[in-house]
Amino acid sequence: SAVISQKPSRDICQRGTSLTIQCQVDSQVTMMFWYRQQPGQSLTLIATANQGSEATYESGFVIDKFPISRPNLTFSTLTVSNMSPEDSSIYLCSVVPTNRGTDTQYFGPGTRLTVL
Amino acid sequence: EDQVTQSPEALRLQEGESSSLNCSYTVSGLRGLFWYRQDPGKGPEFLFTLYSAGEEKEKERLKATLTKKESFLHITAPKPEDSATYLCAVRFGSSNTGKLIFGQGTTLQVKP
Repeated sequence: SAVISQKPSRDICQRGTSLTIQCQVDSQVTMMFWYRQQPGQSLTLIATANQGSEATYESGFVIDKFPISRPNLTFSTLTVSNMSPEDSSIYLCSVVPTNRGTDTQYFGPGTRLTVL
Repeated sequence: EDQVTQSPEALRLQEGESSSLNCSYTVSGLRGLFWYRQDPGKGPEFLFTLYSAGEEKEKERLKATLTKKESFLHITAPKPEDSATYLCAVRFGSSNTGKLIFGQGTTLQVKP
């Protein structure tokens, strides 16, 4: 499986500010995704990060709130903008490795965000 | 509506007491069912992928099976280190988006 790192691992932020989360993979990947896991809940897909083009967002998520970049095949960022306490969640990056003969998604360790 | 439901929500077992977790799904065109393990404060760890009814996969004390409507994760003689939340996810439909829908998870506690 791919080795996935996320920065920061956790943060505490003030209402109204923005936070950018980085996802770095040790090898090229076909697909990259961003998920949210609210306290006590399961995972919800925010968007698919497309290399060199705009991300594809799921229903209920918009680019102004969650801008995403993917400048190359191993790196992506998710920004949580104008944060409110409802944005307190774990944000997870996941990838589908290239040339592994599998479509399995592997997850990073997550970024735990608390908004005060 | 496409849906994934896991049961039970929580399960407490004694060490060595075998049991099964259930994942039922109502989707059109299943293209893969995935099991993950998630420990507190960590990202999900991949366990198994199943693609067609009748398929089975095993890893140590875990065995995953798939039918046309549900999947089971069998845990044989569990140990305390098997305590975690087990997540089921499905990929479906005709597009190649890779999108997964997750169930709510089953939190397993194994007591020594």
